[in-house]
Amino acid sequence: EAGVAQSPRYKIIEKRQSVAFWCNPISGHATLYWYQQILGQGPKLLIQFQNNGVVDDSQLPKDRFSAERLKGVDSTLKIQPAKLEDSAVYLCASSEQGFSTDTQYFGPGTRLTVL
Amino acid sequence: AQSVTQLGSHVSVSEGALVLLRCNYSSSVPPYLFWYVQYPNQGLQLLLKYTSAATLVKGINGFEAEFKKSETSFHLTKPSAHMSDAAEYFCAVSGDTGNQFYFGTGTSLTVIP
Repeated sequence: EAGVAQSPRYKIIEKRQSVAFWCNPISGHATLYWYQQILGQGPKLLIQFQNNGVVDDSQLPKDRFSAERLKGVDSTLKIQPAKLEDSAVYLCASSEQGFSTDTQYFGPGTRLTVL
Repeated sequence: AQSVTQLGSHVSVSEGALVLLRCNYSSSVPPYLFWYVQYPNQGLQLLLKYTSAATLVKGINGFEAEFKKSETSFHLTKPSAHMSDAAEYFCAVSGDTGNQFYFGTGTSLTVIP
């Protein structure tokens, strides 16, 4: 079974530029998550989708971050404009149904460096 | 609200020695707890999870963890460390309103030959 795919793996941009990350979850998984992992910290949830609807985006900085999951499969996370403090690894994960006991399967992440 | 605390951001053990990584949780409801491992430049991989069945949970690569409600702990152990165990380990608790994970700050394990 194919895992969670993410691209690009690395991205370097200057502050105030825009950037987008792509995620393809495990086939059949209804729930998709985006996490931000700052160096030396644990992942922090940014947004959770159930199929193509948003379940939780309470920690998403909506003035600059946006995410969508069209057709309930692939997802894109965008930052516009980027700030220095956005430098982090952005992890995508998916789970079967989004139950509390479900395992979340993580992709390899996108490492963003903002200069 | 749920949270986890991982004591010790860095742990070093000799190859063949016991591995003990600590995790304490805070939860207003019965928690579901997870341990993940992260190798350099990779995503997180599930080691094991507690979902209110047996309190002693066995996972992959010889790891296990015991849920102790009285101590609000879910420590990760492995009897004999291997060089390949060197990685970052994260404890997480699942939210009471769904599958939102709250991660600890991680423990970096170094295995000394």
